[in-house]
Amino acid sequence: EDQVTQSPEALRLQEGESSSLNCSYTVSGLRGLFWYRQDPGKGPEFLFTLYSAGEEKEKERLKATLTKKESFLHITAPKPEDSATYLCAGGYGNNRLAFGKGNQVVVIP
Amino acid sequence: ETGVTQSPTHLIKTRGQQVTLRCSSQSGHNTVSWYQQALGQGPQFIFQYYREEENGRGNFPPRFSGLQFPNYSSELNVNALELDDSALYLCASSLGVTDTQYFGPGTRLTVL
Repeated sequence: EDQVTQSPEALRLQEGESSSLNCSYTVSGLRGLFWYRQDPGKGPEFLFTLYSAGEEKEKERLKATLTKKESFLHITAPKPEDSATYLCAGGYGNNRLAFGKGNQVVVIP
Repeated sequence: ETGVTQSPTHLIKTRGQQVTLRCSSQSGHNTVSWYQQALGQGPQFIFQYYREEENGRGNFPPRFSGLQFPNYSSELNVNALELDDSALYLCASSLGVTDTQYFGPGTRLTVL
């Protein structure tokens, strides 16, 4: 069964305090690893897709990396507007995304 | 370019009723996927439609059904509503079945 696990579930950061979010996934059948950002009561917003171990992608203060078993989302010098739930999803089969429960991040000014 | 839109925004129903949720895909996208997100959980895959045909289904009972229209918009129908169906229902569209999925704002369904 496809499985994606994210840790920590919740994280409180001081503004400027860098940190990393972890996503571990079932390797078999994975065709891509996706990161989304979700604000309360809204739909997920696409951030990154990673396809192979060693791949890295960056957007503003966010950098996503992929190893053979895990992905990390690094948040560098976060600002309060980076507060959100970050969702990791594995793309399996030819169509569906299997999501983790998310990392809820709060950045305190 | 218009993104994915969903209607209605919120909906309240009672147990046993039926509901229809609607989704308009992003321009140029021919694939629509539906997800259910319970409070505090990640989205769960319900099914996907590609060129008006169901193209894969998650672990949801047959009372969850869908349609896709020639303009690639889609509907999600849920019959015999149960309390546990209360959730945020998300629609996502993509260029093709394996391409990046872009989500709409969701429909919040409350079943009393």
